[in-house]
Amino acid sequence: AQSVAQPEDQVNVAEGNPLTVKCTYSVSGNPYLFWYVQYPNRGLQFLLKYITGDNLVKGSYGFEAEFNKSQTSFHLKKPSALVSDSALYFCAVRDGTGGYNKLIFGAGTRLAVHP
Amino acid sequence: KAGVTQTPRYLIKTRGQQVTLSCSPISGHRSVSWYQQTPGQGLQFLFEYFSETQRNKGNFPGRFSGRQFSNSRSEMNVSTLELGDSALYLCASSIGTGTNTDTQYFGPGTRLTVL
Repeated sequence: AQSVAQPEDQVNVAEGNPLTVKCTYSVSGNPYLFWYVQYPNRGLQFLLKYITGDNLVKGSYGFEAEFNKSQTSFHLKKPSALVSDSALYFCAVRDGTGGYNKLIFGAGTRLAVHP
Repeated sequence: KAGVTQTPRYLIKTRGQQVTLSCSPISGHRSVSWYQQTPGQGLQFLFEYFSETQRNKGNFPGRFSGRQFSNSRSEMNVSTLELGDSALYLCASSIGTGTNTDTQYFGPGTRLTVL
């Protein structure tokens, strides 16, 4: 069965410093991976996805993610954090069994960026 | 282009009642998926509809049902509400290409509270 793990419940970063939010995955077959962000009382906003190709994927709001097949990881990164980046971040994998649009989500990582 | 809209945004119901939630996808999107978000279980897939047909279903009891109309709008219904049904219900739409590049875009959610 497909699954993703986000090993950190919370990540604390000072504004202006680089940030990393970790995600590891377990899939049978090719991985199709996504990152979403959720602000308080809001739905999920799509940040980026890895389907195939370059291991470094660029997304919205200056975020990027590095796909590493040997380490089965898909970490989200940003060179310089903003206070407004503080939110809940979800990594997800597409579950290709039985249908195309079922996403399996990690538990989420709360990012806190301090001024 | 307008995003995914969900109505109502907030609902309060009592145990034993039923509820219907509505989702209007992004124009041109034909696939609609529903997810339940709770603090304990996280984000869980409920079902997906495409061209008025349920294409995939998660592990939820039969009290949870849905449908899709010819204009791709979707509704989900929960009958005989239980306290544990209190959650944020998220709708996501995608073009519905049936390929792994298809990306889901989420609405703001409906917050259901069962008393």
